[in-house]
Amino acid sequence: ETGVTQSPTHLIKTRGQQVTLRCSSQSGHNTVSWYQQALGQGPQFIFQYYREEENGRGNFPPRFSGLQFPNYSSELNVNALELDDSALYLCASSLAARPYNEQFFGPGTRLTVL
Amino acid sequence: KNEVEQSPQNLTAQEGEFITINCSYSVGISALHWLQQHPGGGIVSLFMLSSGKKKHGRLIATINIQEKHSSLHITASHPRDSAVYICAVKVLGNQFYFGTGTSLTVIP
Repeated sequence: ETGVTQSPTHLIKTRGQQVTLRCSSQSGHNTVSWYQQALGQGPQFIFQYYREEENGRGNFPPRFSGLQFPNYSSELNVNALELDDSALYLCASSLAARPYNEQFFGPGTRLTVL
Repeated sequence: KNEVEQSPQNLTAQEGEFITINCSYSVGISALHWLQQHPGGGIVSLFMLSSGKKKHGRLIATINIQEKHSSLHITASHPRDSAVYICAVKVLGNQFYFGTGTSLTVIP
């Protein structure tokens, strides 16, 4: 059983560029959540995908968008990057969008925007 | 004001001490998670709670829904317990709120 994987590990972009981050969920999991964690802060919920549909969204602007594929892997896309988008981006997978289901986190992608 | 508040922010303990980390929240929740984050970012889910108490090894988590409060206890602390412990709550709409974490250092 493979765990949650994310790619790339690190990424450097410049302001105004676009970025795509990828997440492969744990085997059998159909729900993926994305989080942004700024340095020294707790993670902030971006959105959740369940069976390829967005299933909840935090307070992030529309330039943060996502996709979930039939194999339940997921992408996070950020357009028009801003300096404040520099953060660790975490994805987590779970078996179903139920409140008590445990989330398994990936190692994260560290994005630096210059 | 944050929806989830943790205390203390930083904690230093001697090996073997009993440790308590507290989490208070101000919103209605469907579940509460305790997470452990090591340097470099990796996050491990320790517990999910919707009521009562759970125990796993030296870790114990409790929740009081009426008081909107949860505690994470570590018995017989060890230097390998050094990490950031984060409380997270799941609310309606599948949105999650996280505390800013408690940084724990256990000294041998």
